[in-house]
Amino acid sequence: QGQMVESGGGVVQPGGSLRLSCAASGFTFNIYGMHWFRQAPGKGLEWLAFIRSDATNEYYADSVKGRFAVSRDNSKKTLYLQMHSLRFEDTAVYFCAKDNLASYYYYMDVWGKGTTVIVSS
Amino acid sequence: QSVLTQPPSVSAAPGQRVTISCSGSSSNIGKNYVSWYQHLPGAAPQLLIYDNNKRPSGIPDRFSGSKSGTSATLAITGLQTGDEADYYCGTWNGSLSAGWVFGGGTKLTVL
Repeated sequence: QGQMVESGGGVVQPGGSLRLSCAASGFTFNIYGMHWFRQAPGKGLEWLAFIRSDATNEYYADSVKGRFAVSRDNSKKTLYLQMHSLRFEDTAVYFCAKDNLASYYYYMDVWGKGTTVIVSS
Repeated sequence: QSVLTQPPSVSAAPGQRVTISCSGSSSNIGKNYVSWYQHLPGAAPQLLIYDNNKRPSGIPDRFSGSKSGTSATLAITGLQTGDEADYYCGTWNGSLSAGWVFGGGTKLTVL
């Protein structure tokens, strides 16, 4: 079935940067597209970014476009989310998830438990 | 304001049946498959339904999904206390650049 484990969360000041990682195991990482999502306190799930299996294209939600960048290292079976210019409203639990297709959205069948990012002065 | 609309909460007694609605538009639910996710606090979200009405292996047949036009519904029968969770519907919004969209989530309380 597979497993995904996020790391890299923490407390950061407004305007700061942070890089999240997501280590995958138990499935063939390099043939699936991957997503990042988040859940702010008291809010629902929000899609942030998608990267194709071969990393040829990335897509972003308007809320993070130009500030966040998704990437992947298929040799390490790891997904990344580089976050810059962080704002108070970026405080959330961040989740990575595996799509069931390589290059388009379908459904997410493997999720991590999340890593917490707190933006605070 | 979520692109897909779900009721904020539903409740029912153990053993009963509950439904959760998800309303969208012709650009999302109207033309794409819907999936449903269960999310318990502190846990990884879990896929419950994909392709509108298919269950992944390991998901009990107490969970079922349906879609009609621009709306979808999740039904849970034989409610158990362990079903208390947040439930989200999701689909893509017409193109890769338009992204993936969720409903706002529905909190299920088993009384």
